[in-house]
Amino acid sequence: QQQVKQSPQSLIVQKGGISIINCAYENTAFDYFPWYQQFPGKGPALLIAIRPDVSEKKEGRFTISFNKSAKQFSLHIMDSQPGDSATYFCAASTASKLTFGTGTRLQVTL
Amino acid sequence: DSGVTQTPKHLITATGQRVTLRCSPRSGDLSVYWYQQSLDQGLQFLIQYYNGEERAKGNILERFSAQQFPDLHSELNLSSLELGDSALYFCASSVAATDSPLHFGNGTRLTVT
Repeated sequence: QQQVKQSPQSLIVQKGGISIINCAYENTAFDYFPWYQQFPGKGPALLIAIRPDVSEKKEGRFTISFNKSAKQFSLHIMDSQPGDSATYFCAASTASKLTFGTGTRLQVTL
Repeated sequence: DSGVTQTPKHLITATGQRVTLRCSPRSGDLSVYWYQQSLDQGLQFLIQYYNGEERAKGNILERFSAQQFPDLHSELNLSSLELGDSALYFCASSVAATDSPLHFGNGTRLTVT
């Protein structure tokens, strides 16, 4: 059972554009929602995270929007750069178990 | 660099064999997690250890086992390997058992032929 659904599977954005990745969850016990960035040949790296008592969190060009009632959250990458080209995973956690979405492969073109 | 070290980086073995994957967590981290990443299944949580004790279990097959040693390094043992076990295996560590960010190593790529 896929508890965290992520879309789109792949995304192509022009340099300077906004990249948007969406996730939806089912388990209302989830209380921590991180996003991870993974480059080829590397492990996932924590990018930004949010807890459900906050509707938005911004760190530099990266913003998480969180909608508790809809059980959805999204990652916005402003002014996307070629160096942002990577696979992005949303995740949701309760206690110590982190459940990942299936990933979005982002390509930022010149 | 996350500070989590995984060895070996690559492993090629035959069906039916047994392998051991090793992970050294970041300095100061007590919790170790194992994840399997395959193309069709994404990142699947296998198991977590905290300070030497099993803390949580995910989709880990009975053919797989893990342990965390007193020096906090961890090993994941995979036995009776099947072609479908070919995947990237990631280790992650965190300071606490819950509610702390995970830091991933660069993985071990296992190929079963």
